[in-house]
Amino acid sequence: DVKVTQSSRYLVKRTGEKVFLECVQDMDHENMFWYRQDPGLGLRLIYFSYDVKMKEKGDIPEGYSVSREKKERFSLILESASTNQTSMYLCASSPGQPSATNEKLFFGSGTQLSVL
Amino acid sequence: DQQVKQNSPSLSVQEGRISILNCDYTNSMFDYFLWYKKYPAEGPTFLISISSIKDKNEDGRFTVFLNKSAKHLSLHIVPSQPGDSAVYFCAASDRGGGSNYKLTFGKGTLLTVNP
Repeated sequence: DVKVTQSSRYLVKRTGEKVFLECVQDMDHENMFWYRQDPGLGLRLIYFSYDVKMKEKGDIPEGYSVSREKKERFSLILESASTNQTSMYLCASSPGQPSATNEKLFFGSGTQLSVL
Repeated sequence: DQQVKQNSPSLSVQEGRISILNCDYTNSMFDYFLWYKKYPAEGPTFLISISSIKDKNEDGRFTVFLNKSAKHLSLHIVPSQPGDSAVYFCAASDRGGGSNYKLTFGKGTLLTVNP
């Protein structure tokens, strides 16, 4: 089974801190994603990466950056955390081209980040 | 602009009855649709999908129906079980546009199945 592991289940940070959220997948997937889930807003895509060192902005990239130095690892960085970034952060991966199953994302269990 | 809409935030049904979760979309370029299920404190998991060339796909107790002219899809769960209680997300992608790795999600519907 595909396993997507997020390094922390819960994080509490202070406003202005630099925050790193780490994600590792073990199935050699090409694509990796960061989403955030908020009540009443569903899942919103922050950034995705379709290859090592490649990244593209999702729907809400402001205030975030990403890093993908190795295929299995995708990091989300909050340059200067703010209270409106308090959320559940979900990492996901999918196989990559050519594949008929790219939309079948495998998600990690999530990191609940609280920014105080 | 919300391209995938789940207008019912919650749904409650009795065990053994049918659950029907609805989803509407506005982007006519979407050609592949999926449902994900999410339990509390876990990531979403893939449930079932359907291509726009079909109008129905069935997998055990789960059936997804697609009405392209109405830009509407629905997920039927028969019979519903208490373990089906979760948040269900509808999602869509534009495969024909070459971005089949980018999904647009709805806001989710919380299904509660009462014993």
